[in-house]
Amino acid sequence: ETGVTQTPRHLVMGMTNKKSLKCEQHLGHNAMYWYKQSAKKPLELMFVYSLEERVENNSVPSRFSPECPNSSHLFLHLHTLQPEDSALYLCASSQVRGPYEQYFGPGTRLTVT
Amino acid sequence: GENVEQHPSTLSVQEGDSAVIKCTYSDSASNYFPWYKQELGKGPQLIIDIRSNVGEKKDQRIAVTLNKTAKHFSLHITETQPEDSAVYFCAASLDTGRRALTFGSGTRLQVQP
Repeated sequence: ETGVTQTPRHLVMGMTNKKSLKCEQHLGHNAMYWYKQSAKKPLELMFVYSLEERVENNSVPSRFSPECPNSSHLFLHLHTLQPEDSALYLCASSQVRGPYEQYFGPGTRLTVT
Repeated sequence: GENVEQHPSTLSVQEGDSAVIKCTYSDSASNYFPWYKQELGKGPQLIIDIRSNVGEKKDQRIAVTLNKTAKHFSLHITETQPEDSAVYFCAASLDTGRRALTFGSGTRLQVQP
């Protein structure tokens, strides 16, 4: 595997379910990000992890819970979601200290029914 | 915080023509400006970036210009090809791995063969 991978690629869940999205980067980076992409807000930051520490939380509802167990893996735990949470969830990674380029995974298409 | 405006939202050109996409940003402290290309079903792909210590950068058919005084930057694609058809996003940030990117709203480019 190369670059940034995300699983699953597609997910349909009911509002009472609990599920997790997984991201793995194979680039030797040490900062990871979750973005939400929807028709209303094309690319919106959710969380930033730097050296496994959460450094930014962009006013995301508590029904989204991130976890970064090491610099290669990032999870987004989902519970009691709303239909408006249906979107493409993108993971990205970069170096903390130069070069700063962010590389994205293919995303997880989430549908909440 | 940073705010990035992007124009136009859609752009249709004939194959071989040039395409220009423009962005403005609000935070004068921003010093890193990447451009991403997103094809259907894929995550955003970094295609070129520029830092505030240069005014222009070119990579084959793609070039980016930056005017720090006016706080705007542009993407130029010459000799467009059908495979250039995609959604393009500009972004702005501080050049550090602890800060996320603020994205524009995207431009859907259609290259007509």
